[in-house]
Amino acid sequence: DTAVSQTPKYLVTQMGNDKSIKCEQNLGHDTMYWYKQDSKKFLKIMFSYNNKELIINETVPNRFSPKSPDKAHLNLHINSLELGDSAVYFCASSQVPGDREAETQYFGPGTRLLVL
Amino acid sequence: AQKITQTQPGMFVQEKEAVTLDCTYDTSDPSYGLFWYKQPSSGEMIFLIYQGSYDQQNATEGRYSLNFQKARKSANLVISASQLGDSAMYFCAMRESSSGGYQKVTFGTGTKLQVIP
Repeated sequence: DTAVSQTPKYLVTQMGNDKSIKCEQNLGHDTMYWYKQDSKKFLKIMFSYNNKELIINETVPNRFSPKSPDKAHLNLHINSLELGDSAVYFCASSQVPGDREAETQYFGPGTRLLVL
Repeated sequence: AQKITQTQPGMFVQEKEAVTLDCTYDTSDPSYGLFWYKQPSSGEMIFLIYQGSYDQQNATEGRYSLNFQKARKSANLVISASQLGDSAMYFCAMRESSSGGYQKVTFGTGTKLQVIP
């Protein structure tokens, strides 16, 4: 019954490797997000997709590339991993943007990435 | 300028007491939303409560209430009758329009609450 799921939960890898994190939501939401939470717990948005289209792209290195095969999935691919990429990555989803009604974002459990 | 400011990095509260976690915000968007999320040590982000900028009454959800003072741009979270399970990080967040007309959510730096038995 998981609303927003992410895999893997933990990811330990060497510097320079390429890795992907997958996210799926079964809430029927149109918008999905990727956030990065650093070691100081600061949560910052990276990307947002609405119906498979990129709508928010914050200042993120080109090594990070989101891909949305359909509106229920938003994957994050990271090339040439660096030490500074170590963080917790959260996927989230919400209803249609631009709607000024309540737009609560529901979060996945997070993926703890450690780059050695 | 910070969009969301949480000035209390850490707070202690006695079990069964009430506690207020502060949050101030800055926006020029006439329509916005304010959220509080809880992040326990297990790491998940749990939605607690929402307040819309046009809502006339303060939001309440069980033991959580949001003290919304629009003129002062504050949206403090009040937890009544604290329980040990309330020990966690608490994040205030704001939804507002970004360029392009889409909604964007910005999070504060969080307050770590510890409930003392």
